[in-house]
Amino acid sequence: AQTVTQSQPEMSVQEAETVTLSCTYDTSESDYYLFWYKQPPSRQMILVIRQEAYKQQNATENRFSVNFQKAAKSFSLKISDSQLGDAAMYFCAYRIQNSGNTPLVFGKGTRLSVIA
Amino acid sequence: DGGITQSPKYLFRKEGQNVTLSCEQNLNHDAMYWYRQDPGQGLRLIYYSQIVNDFQKGDIAEGYSVSREKKESFPLTVTSAQKNPTAFYLCASRPTPNTEAFFGQGTRLTVV
Repeated sequence: AQTVTQSQPEMSVQEAETVTLSCTYDTSESDYYLFWYKQPPSRQMILVIRQEAYKQQNATENRFSVNFQKAAKSFSLKISDSQLGDAAMYFCAYRIQNSGNTPLVFGKGTRLSVIA
Repeated sequence: DGGITQSPKYLFRKEGQNVTLSCEQNLNHDAMYWYRQDPGQGLRLIYYSQIVNDFQKGDIAEGYSVSREKKESFPLTVTSAQKNPTAFYLCASRPTPNTEAFFGQGTRLTVV
């Protein structure tokens, strides 16, 4: 079974600084997707960034970027120029790439605090 | 507006009662999912459905039941057999296999 591990239950960062959230996963599949979701205090799940395993280039979305290391099964999220609105729970998620609608598998999350 | 609607936002029930959580989407998505969120546990899959009239158990299906009679609706019933039903429940849907999932705003269920 696939598993996703987020080893940092809590992190904090100073406003305008950079922070990296860690995620590792375990799978025997070669084709899959990886995601980072943000859950602010409203508890609405918001997609931050996604990475296809077949792509060597790391995904980037504005201030958010990932470091995808397929051999190491590592998928970290870097947030640059942190803002107060970045404070939230962040979940790493995995899904096998196939023809069906297989569910996402989530890690336990990292709570990020942003200090003004 | 298109989206996923979960209702109610907050729900209180007495122990031993069954309760049904609503999830409706007008996005024409094929697949729908139910997750349970507990502090420190992340999101755990309860049930999912890839097509009308079909659904599969997730990792923690015991004490729950679902139906998928219409494409846009995927209600979750929390039965009296669920030993610890107090939690935050999230519904999600996805249009095609190779896209991300979209989430509703959740239902906080408290059993007293």
